[in-house]
Amino acid sequence: AQSVTQLGSHVSVSEGALVLLRCNYSSSVPPYLFWYVQYPNQGLQLLLKYTTGATLVKGINGFEAEFKKSETSFHLTKPSAHMSDAAEYFCAVSLTGNQFYFGTGTSLTVIP
Amino acid sequence: GAVVSQHPSRVICKSGTSVKIECRSLDFQATTMFWYRQFPKQSLMLMATSNEGSKATYEQGVEKDKFLINHASLTLSTLTVTSAHPEDSSFYICSATNTGLPTEQYFGPGTRLTVT
Repeated sequence: AQSVTQLGSHVSVSEGALVLLRCNYSSSVPPYLFWYVQYPNQGLQLLLKYTTGATLVKGINGFEAEFKKSETSFHLTKPSAHMSDAAEYFCAVSLTGNQFYFGTGTSLTVIP
Repeated sequence: GAVVSQHPSRVICKSGTSVKIECRSLDFQATTMFWYRQFPKQSLMLMATSNEGSKATYEQGVEKDKFLINHASLTLSTLTVTSAHPEDSSFYICSATNTGLPTEQYFGPGTRLTVT
């Protein structure tokens, strides 16, 4: 069975500082990995995904994530936080690309 | 492209009544749609997988007689919450997969259900 663990339900960073949101997964085989962002009372927007190939994945809004098989991790980073990055972030794993399993989410606060 | 809509965005209903939520893929055909439930400040929990023209597959613990799912066409799935109770109040989100891109799910904007 697949599962996703997001360490840190709340992360606060100063504007302009590095953003690091952690995601570890458990899967019997290399899965597809995703990061989604959710703004209040809205659906999920795909930030980036890893399926195959290059392990460093670049997404929208300056975010990127690196798939590390040895560490079963897919941490999300952004070099410089912007106020508009404040939102809820979800890591998700899927084996088939159909059934998704989400982490519990990390709420990002950006301090001016 | 790949837009999914939900209607309504917000609904308030009285306890004991039923409410229907629609999920539409606007610019692609979706053979599979998914329904999620999200409690405040929590993650999305998959409720059921809906395949066009067949019965939905429900996750363990989800009452299929309470949460009726119909996927009558390649662009429309509906979730009906029957005999709603206050504990059914939640944020319901649907998603759909494009038949040509199985590794992506496109999410709708969600429906806020409040049962009074």
